[in-house]
Amino acid sequence: GAVVSQHPSWVICKSGTSVKIECRSLDFQATTMFWYRQFPKQSLMLMATSNEGSKATYEQGVEKDKFLINHASLTLSTLTVTSAHPEDSSFYICSARDLGSSGGANTGELFFGEGSRLTVL
Amino acid sequence: QKEVEQNSGPLSVPEGAIASLNCTYSDRGSQSFFWYRQYSGKSPELIMSIYSNGDKEDGRFTAQLNKASQYVSLLIRDSQPSDSATYLCAPLPRGGSYIPTFGRGTSLIVHP
Repeated sequence: GAVVSQHPSWVICKSGTSVKIECRSLDFQATTMFWYRQFPKQSLMLMATSNEGSKATYEQGVEKDKFLINHASLTLSTLTVTSAHPEDSSFYICSARDLGSSGGANTGELFFGEGSRLTVL
Repeated sequence: QKEVEQNSGPLSVPEGAIASLNCTYSDRGSQSFFWYRQYSGKSPELIMSIYSNGDKEDGRFTAQLNKASQYVSLLIRDSQPSDSATYLCAPLPRGGSYIPTFGRGTSLIVHP
């Protein structure tokens, strides 16, 4: 399947600082990427849809000014957690679709990055 | 009503047994269904997809879909300790977003 790479895997930061997480599609182009957040023993919660060359679409309840998303190229999306606080500590996971592998059909299959575990002290 | 319901478990089965994981969904218009496996501390990986009523087999895994009952299941035959993980059910709701909705997952423990 398609490969999605996420960096960093772990990050610890002080409260009030900003953290950037990168998500790259390594062997395909992704016009759309998705950012999820997962708290312990909870389900994946979609935060936002990242669109190449345009503004991200945020889910209800997600602060767009706090979670800045940039999708400047077909293979890279970044999530910046601004002024992080301990309650932002979570597992952040990006994902993307590889339309090429399904002949262009949008089957809904998602390929996930390795995830980034954020701990805010 | 939750959109996707799964028994959180843990479901504990002995090695070699059949593990049966169940999922119900609320959106009757869902057409595609995915099962993802998530090891502790890792991100999910797709293991099965099913689009039509009935069974779909892939190695030790069989997905079963019953759209009338809004029910999808995953059977794992000859369970191995390496199958111990959380299994996420993800139906694709109707509409143009093509973004699956994830359940909380069922924790499976296969003990030797």
